[in-house]
Amino acid sequence: DAKTTQPPSMDCAEGRAANLPCNHSTISGNEYVYWYRQIHSQGPQYIIHGLKNNETNEMASLIITEDRKSSTLILPHATLRDTAVYYCIVRVAQNDYKLSFGAGTTVTVRA
Amino acid sequence: NAGVTQTPKFQVLKTGQSMTLQCAQDMNHNSMYWYRQDPGMGLRLIYYSASEGTTDKGEVPNGYNVSRLNKREFSLRLESAAPSQTSVYFCASTWLAGGNEQFFGPGTRLTVL
Repeated sequence: DAKTTQPPSMDCAEGRAANLPCNHSTISGNEYVYWYRQIHSQGPQYIIHGLKNNETNEMASLIITEDRKSSTLILPHATLRDTAVYYCIVRVAQNDYKLSFGAGTTVTVRA
Repeated sequence: NAGVTQTPKFQVLKTGQSMTLQCAQDMNHNSMYWYRQDPGMGLRLIYYSASEGTTDKGEVPNGYNVSRLNKREFSLRLESAAPSQTSVYFCASTWLAGGNEQFFGPGTRLTVL
């Protein structure tokens, strides 16, 4: 699986959009980009995933660059409850195991 | 629908003691996973079970054994606990092996003295 690089931390104002970057310059053509988050002391929670096209669901939007070497997770209206560690993970969806969690980005939403 | 449940929530062991961490899911998922998370670190896969009756090693299997008791339950056993196994243990499940969304339990916080 390709490795990812994320900033260690970022702050965001409540009500504003939070844009979380992720670099995955060695991504292969059949690898997907996944985002999970972990709110303090809880189990990780799936947010969204994508291959090439931009994706949106009720939680977030995922923007993948045309060369697929980087992506951005967008939380459109951050709330205090979005304070968490966000993990960007690249993997082949057909793998039958293993999400490789790195250190992630600690996002703090401030009132 | 409880999702993924884990017992116990907290446990303190002495070096050399054994214990079993229990995990159950009520979503009729085929695949189940055990991860550990050390302070300030991401999760690391210990063992996984792609389907009932199969188990395989992950990144850090040494010192652990697993049992896929049935489709719902996947247990993790520490035969002789060591301080290096102090960690938070998470169980997860997916509908199919390679499924897009892993559902995680609340975790078991284990301290080995």
